[in-house]
Amino acid sequence: RKEVEQDPGPFNVPEGATVAFNCTYSNSASQSFFWYRQDCRKEPKLLMSVYSSGNEDGRFTAQLNRASQYISLLIRDSKLSDSATYLCVVNRMAGFQKLVFGTGTRLLVSP
Amino acid sequence: ETGVTQTPRHLVMGMTNKKSLKCEQHLGHNAMYWYKQSAKKPLELMFVYSLEERVENNSVPSRFSPECPNSSHLFLHLHTLQPEDSALYLCASSQVAGGGNNSPLHFGNGTRLTVT
Repeated sequence: RKEVEQDPGPFNVPEGATVAFNCTYSNSASQSFFWYRQDCRKEPKLLMSVYSSGNEDGRFTAQLNRASQYISLLIRDSKLSDSATYLCVVNRMAGFQKLVFGTGTRLLVSP
Repeated sequence: ETGVTQTPRHLVMGMTNKKSLKCEQHLGHNAMYWYKQSAKKPLELMFVYSLEERVENNSVPSRFSPECPNSSHLFLHLHTLQPEDSALYLCASSQVAGGGNNSPLHFGNGTRLTVT
């Protein structure tokens, strides 16, 4: 079993739609959680950190469920520019950055 | 210049060549990383340097040799690579603080390596 699992997609949605991605992680000692965005043939860029209480940044909402060991990302009012691969990232432990990346979920937003 | 810069952007090398990848960060971070991204696979951590000391070596073959001369520069020396080493090699940096409060990773734009 992979340490961080994501549905690879692709998720094909029309502009304006709401789409949600889930990610599960297997290491219960994981300390911190992130969503990164990666455009085709580009480097990953931090989209948002994920906090236990849930957090929102504009059209993006991230939630963490430690008991069930999953993380979610909700995108409202999808834009064409949201088309990308979304990487779920888990930091195994406090202190040093032992980040484990999921394979990513591909999102395609169409007109 | 800001952020994390990597050179070269693209590299094609034969199995007997020796080459080096270069990474430079202008963010004042104290940790630097090499990651490998192959098609259809998650990013794999290769090496981590904190304050110029290697703190992680993720069972990477010895044909990959990292070097961190100072907190702003990181190299990956390559020799006698195999075709399966073809991938996107990403450098990243972060600020590692006490108590587990680390900044997220900031990635460079990567070197796309093809081994022929």
